[in-house]
This record gives sequence, structure tokens and C-alpha cells, in this order.
Amino acid sequence: SYVLTQPPSVSVAPGQTARIACGENNIGSKSVHWYQQRPGQAPVLVVYDDSDRPSGIPERFSGSNSGNTATLTISRVEAGDEADYYCQVWESSSDPHWVFGGGTKLTVL
Amino acid sequence: DVQLVESGGGLAQPGGSLRLSCSASGFTFSSYTMHWVRQAPGKGLEYVSAITSNGGSTYYADSVKGRFTISRDNSKNTLYLQMSSLRAEDTAVYYCVKDPQDGALTGYFDFWGQGTLVTVSS
Repeated sequence: SYVLTQPPSVSVAPGQTARIACGENNIGSKSVHWYQQRPGQAPVLVVYDDSDRPSGIPERFSGSNSGNTATLTISRVEAGDEADYYCQVWESSSDPHWVFGGGTKLTVL
Repeated sequence: DVQLVESGGGLAQPGGSLRLSCSASGFTFSSYTMHWVRQAPGKGLEYVSAITSNGGSTYYADSVKGRFTISRDNSKNTLYLQMSSLRAEDTAVYYCVKDPQDGALTGYFDFWGQGTLVTVSS
């Protein structure tokens, strides 16, 4: 069973680039999805299938996945990007499981 | 617009039961797999359960298997989660969540309700 490892926190100044990692052995063989959760709100999908963006999500949000690490990249970070970010994969089998990472708190300095 | 509105949360005693409901609108409810995901206070997201569009298949996290039952009534556009033998560690906000593709399991979630809080305490 997958255990997705995320750093507890990442800090970045406005206008800079934030990178949030999600690690697991051979995660590159899975599709990784990312959710943003602002304080007091429900999660919102920001990247799916490693690097696709749902409609309405700014191009500043991008994703990549290779080897043992998937990465969510947020360019030109804004104050409104401050939130918790979760990676997620699906283990499809006869007993499928949906697995989340522990979450990363993005702080905009 | 897609809307998912959860209800039924509240205070329950350890060992007790509670039934959550999720009223869906803005999409063809009967065509989509639906899920429950929970979040303990101050903690991360945890997958709970899923049910396919016609209710023919259900899936559970090991932590709730044998205690929780997911179901749906497509005539009422409503998803349910029957929770029994509740434990303190079941205390969480429970989110009703939609699968993005009709007729299939796609492995991720495209829309979340606002959640309902379940507190298990004596």
C-alpha cells in the first residue's frame, strides 16, 4: 500500500515559485492528483493526472511526476495561494484504495 | 452548477450510530461514482468509502470496514453513509465527493461538498 510523503511546510515570498513534493517508491508509475484546501474550506482539485489542470485553475499551477517524486509547482505565488496542499493516488485493484499524502502547509511570507 | 450538501452530522456516543446524507444537484447524479472522505480536526484527508453509479459496487477504507455502510438513492439524488460502532477516532468533518467521469472509477475527485462535522464523545 502506498504511503505518500509530503513536507509539512513550505514557505515562499510573493512572486516566487513554490515547489511541493510528494514522495513514494516508483510514484512515477501512478497518476498523481493535487488538491488545495484554504482554511475553513473544502478541498479543490488543482492538478489531475500528474499535470492536467481543471478548468478555472490558473496556469501558474503545474505538476510533474517521475521516478520517486511528484511535484506541484506554483509560479508567481500570490497571498491567496496560502493553503494546505494534498497529493493523492489511486491504487486500482480488486480492493481499490484512494491514498492521500499528509499535506503541506504553504505559507506566503 | 454542481452542488453537494451534506447533513446528519452531530454528537454521537462511542459505540453509537449516525447516518449522514448528501443531497446532490447540478449534474446527473445516477451516472457518477460518489465518495466519502473525512478530515479529523487539524489533520489531513482520509479516504472513507466509495459507491459506483448504480450502487453495484462499494469500497471501504480498512479503518471503517464492517462498521460503515455507503448507499445511494438515485431517485432522490442522495448519497448516504451509515456509521455504526462509532469510535472517538471517527471524529471528523465528512465530505461528500464526486468522481469526475460518468460510468467509471477515475481515481480522483473533481468536486467536494462543504462537509458535516461528526463528533464521537461521551
